[in-house]
Amino acid sequence: NAGVTQTPKFRILKIGQSMTLQCAQDMNHNYMYWYRQDPGMGLKLIYYSVGAGITDKGEVPNGYNVSRSTTEDFPLRLELAAPSQTSVYFCASTFSENTEAFFGQGTRLTVV
Amino acid sequence: GDSVTQMEGPVTLSEEAFLTINCTYTATGYPSLFWYVQYPGEGLQLLLKATKADDKGSNKGFEATYRKETTSFHLEKGSVQVSDSAVYFCALITNTNAGKSTFGDGTTLTVKP
Repeated sequence: NAGVTQTPKFRILKIGQSMTLQCAQDMNHNYMYWYRQDPGMGLKLIYYSVGAGITDKGEVPNGYNVSRSTTEDFPLRLELAAPSQTSVYFCASTFSENTEAFFGQGTRLTVV
Repeated sequence: GDSVTQMEGPVTLSEEAFLTINCTYTATGYPSLFWYVQYPGEGLQLLLKATKADDKGSNKGFEATYRKETTSFHLEKGSVQVSDSAVYFCALITNTNAGKSTFGDGTTLTVKP
């Protein structure tokens, strides 16, 4: 079982560049989430989606965009990368509103 | 809003020592409670969960009991191993919040042989 798959695992960006972090799940989960994890900190929610075609902002959405054209995929777009976006990014999905989250392996992003 | 407070780390123990990591929460409604574990370089994975008051979640020798009266969900293990070294996150979900989890800041556990 693949579960939640994130690509790439590592990436270095220059200030002002753009990129898309890919996330795909094969569990037919409607709910998907993007978090960032800064060193020694918990997870902060960037964006989430409750189903295909529906997205909404989390705690820290500035500088990011998402789309959800299919149930399986939930890409996160960084426009005009800034050093403050250096972090580890995790994608997660849940089966329903009150069940546990399944996480991808993470993408470690450095903006220089 | 919802929040989760974990005991501050890092925690360093010798092998076979007893482990407690405290977790308290505030939430609107009736939350489900979770402990996740993150091994180095990996994503979070579910360790155990409890969905209603007085439920006990358990897995791999770890236990936690949902205490509504003290709004707590402390993680315990009777005898830790070196392989338990990881970061542990307490989290909650309420069914009024679109499945969004609220996480504590995490507690780093190091177990020495």
